[in-house]
Amino acid sequence: GQSLEQPSEVTAVEGAIVQINCTYQTSGFYGLSWYQQHDGGAPTFLSYNALDGLEETGRFSSFLSRSDSYGYLLLQELQMKDSASYFCASNTGFQKLVFGTGTRLLVSP
Amino acid sequence: KAGVTQTPRYLIKTRGQQVTLSCSPISGHRSVSWYQQTPGQGLQFLFEYFSETQRNKGNFPGRFSGRQFSNSRSEMNVSTLELGDSALYLCASSLGDSSEQYFGPGTRLTVT
Repeated sequence: GQSLEQPSEVTAVEGAIVQINCTYQTSGFYGLSWYQQHDGGAPTFLSYNALDGLEETGRFSSFLSRSDSYGYLLLQELQMKDSASYFCASNTGFQKLVFGTGTRLLVSP
Repeated sequence: KAGVTQTPRYLIKTRGQQVTLSCSPISGHRSVSWYQQTPGQGLQFLFEYFSETQRNKGNFPGRFSGRQFSNSRSEMNVSTLELGDSALYLCASSLGDSSEQYFGPGTRLTVT
């Protein structure tokens, strides 16, 4: 089967750092993507890890460990606008993304 | 550059009817993927088209079908609608096998 597990909810305050973990079990794994989705909106791409290690894009960083079937998204200097759902997704070939269960991030003042 | 557009944005249908949803990808993008999003099942892959060919298909019944035209626009069709088909249907476009997919705003389908 294919599954990606994430915490259902994470809370943090403005300016803090938060890490959202993702453990996966998929057949045919090419890399791990992260998407953000605000309520009522469409998912938007944040980052992609094809190889082990850390990828940094502004306030967001993503990490992948293929040997541990594990990845995480790190959000720094949290802002209120970061309150949203975050999904990890496994790219299993030919643009097929298998999405995780999603993590709802609540940022408070 | 215009984003991914989907029409219609909202749709209400009755059980047993069929529906066709449309997706126009970002100019130059040749890959279009379709996803279904529901509170219970989350985001699930339906199928992907590249240059008018279906390259990948998810685990959905044959009532769900799609196609892609020569201008990369794509349609998906659901026949014999069931209550459980009520969902947000999202399409995403990308440059071939790019790691980044761009999602449209979705079509909210309600089946009564």
